[in-house]
Amino acid sequence: SQTIHQWPATLVQPVGSPLSLECTVEGTSNPNLYWYRQAAGRGLQLLFYSVGIGQISSEVPQNLSASRPQDRQFILSSKKLLLSDSGFYLCAWSVARTNTEAFFGQGTRLTVV
Amino acid sequence: KNQVEQSPQSLIILEGKNCTLQCNYTVSPFSNLRWYKQDTGRGPVSLTIMTFSENTKSNGRYTATLDADTKQSSLHITASQLSDSASYICVVSVGGSYIPTFGRGTSLIVHP
Repeated sequence: SQTIHQWPATLVQPVGSPLSLECTVEGTSNPNLYWYRQAAGRGLQLLFYSVGIGQISSEVPQNLSASRPQDRQFILSSKKLLLSDSGFYLCAWSVARTNTEAFFGQGTRLTVV
Repeated sequence: KNQVEQSPQSLIILEGKNCTLQCNYTVSPFSNLRWYKQDTGRGPVSLTIMTFSENTKSNGRYTATLDADTKQSSLHITASQLSDSASYICVVSVGGSYIPTFGRGTSLIVHP
């Protein structure tokens, strides 16, 4: 069966520090991968998606970047965090080349102080 | 522009009561519609997924309906339980795209 792992669960970082959130998927090949951010009381905002290794599409210009160094690994990064980067970050995957059901990780609560 | 609107924004009901959540969309071309449940501080979990030809689908006490003509969907929760307290998110996918369109969700609180 397929599983998705996202870590860490919570993170408190000072302004100006770097960020690296990691997401890995098991039990499937060449999945579509997504990073979302959810501000308090708001809907999910798509940040990045990837349909293959090294293929990253950005939906919103921001202080963040994403990379997919391996087929089932998706990393969200920042060189210098801003206060506005605080939020709940979710990684998700769906079956390759489809737009069917997406499966979400448990999320990372990031607080920038 | 593809949009998904959910109503109500929030809802409070007593344990044991039924409720219905609404989702209207303007996505085109339509591919599928999903309802997710998101517990506080957790990732969303899929409840149902429906394609154009399906107009109802159940998952335990959850029943989703889809009217593709009016572009409306509803999620009916029967005999609510305290554990139903969560945000319910309507997600619509566009044909030919890997990027779904999310609604903002309905926050449901079930009181004992």
